[in-house]
Amino acid sequence: GAVVSQHPSWVICKSGTSVKIECRSLDFQATTMFWYRQFPKQSLMLMATSNEGSKATYEQGVEKDKFLINHASLTLSTLTVTSAHPEDSSFYICSARRGGRDEQYFGPGTRLTVT
Amino acid sequence: SQKIEQNSEALNIQEGKTATLTCNYTNYSPAYLQWYRQDPGRGPVFLLLIRENEKEKRKERLKVTFDTTLKQSLFHITASQPADSATYLCALDIKSGGGADGLTFGKGTHLIIQP
Repeated sequence: GAVVSQHPSWVICKSGTSVKIECRSLDFQATTMFWYRQFPKQSLMLMATSNEGSKATYEQGVEKDKFLINHASLTLSTLTVTSAHPEDSSFYICSARRGGRDEQYFGPGTRLTVT
Repeated sequence: SQKIEQNSEALNIQEGKTATLTCNYTNYSPAYLQWYRQDPGRGPVFLLLIRENEKEKRKERLKVTFDTTLKQSLFHITASQPADSATYLCALDIKSGGGADGLTFGKGTHLIIQP
């Protein structure tokens, strides 16, 4: 149990376009989902937290108008990178947490390359 | 600011021996500490969670200790196998002003088990 999927696994887009990444909890309901970013040779950095039906909470330094997060159901959260630029190229990973539990289950990640 | 340090970037261990990884933190009193495994190009996989009132936790060949006085956690893999080779991440809960409780990660220790 506790499987999280992400789609797509990789995406290449042109500068100025928008990209949507989906995160799904497949076998449990996730009260909270998180979005992280990981640059090469670096650790994961929390970008934002989303609770189903609520607005996302963004970490300091993360532009909420650039990284749009929607958590419309207990099994789906989406991250949209708007007006992407080459510096947004990174590995984006989501995680999900069950209600009442502290451990997080991570998706396989999405490799975004902006040309 | 919160800081997490993992003892070394890389650790080479002979197969069959016990691998011990260290995680130290400063400027924080976490409610719990988690260990994850990450393989190249993949999302982290949850291994163990230990709470501030717990001294030790075990799961199969894995053992985690948590010393809140020293602000340190040790992660042990006994009877190590080449398949245990991966990057191991230490993570603490974040309590940001927005009420988010995502994770802050160390940079990880790249463990190599040599046959």
